[in-house]
Amino acid sequence: DADVTQTPRNRITKTGKRIMLECSQTKGHDRMYWYRQDPGLGLQLIYYSFDVKDINKGEISDGYSVSRQAQAKFSLSLESAIPNQTALYFCATTGSSYNSPLHFGNGTRLTVT
Amino acid sequence: DAKTTQPPSMDCAEGRAANLPCNHSTISGNEYVYWYRQIHSQGPQYIIHGLKNNETNEMASLIITEDRKSSTLILPHATLRDTAVYYCIVRVFNDYKLSFGAGTTVTVRA
Repeated sequence: DADVTQTPRNRITKTGKRIMLECSQTKGHDRMYWYRQDPGLGLQLIYYSFDVKDINKGEISDGYSVSRQAQAKFSLSLESAIPNQTALYFCATTGSSYNSPLHFGNGTRLTVT
Repeated sequence: DAKTTQPPSMDCAEGRAANLPCNHSTISGNEYVYWYRQIHSQGPQYIIHGLKNNETNEMASLIITEDRKSSTLILPHATLRDTAVYYCIVRVFNDYKLSFGAGTTVTVRA
């Protein structure tokens, strides 16, 4: 089983719809992140959380919200989807030790029409 | 956090070593250099990281200059499956609050 699981893998939605992307991890890590990737570009940080009670905005948080339901679960919501939110979305987690790398899920491909 | 500069693309022959450069001239003393790669549209995969000493693992070697302003990732015997986008990032160990840049697209050719 994957350490970081994202659902759904693919989603097509219409402008104005609310949508939630879910992420769960089995690594037991406290830190979780949501990134967005547009074609040919790197990963931009949307939100991050260092524990269940800690939520922080990243560089491109406008139009997004998150919920950290438990240590293992971190959901990303688009309250009213717009076409320029069409992208590949990645969830990731890392531990607190200096040797702990970032573990990514396999992504959710979102298309907003 | 320090920013990094990488060439946008490079080619490598299969079986040869691939040397990927990264400049991070504003790196702070407590920031590590990390390398990740992304194959097609999969989630990025961790490769290696280091602070100031050279590091080697089963995937690659990381050479950091003495002044720490640049580094090189070495894939010793590139295979076609190493074709990917490679990201060099610098962080206070595992703090990933900033974004990844565009990386280097490495194409390994038969």
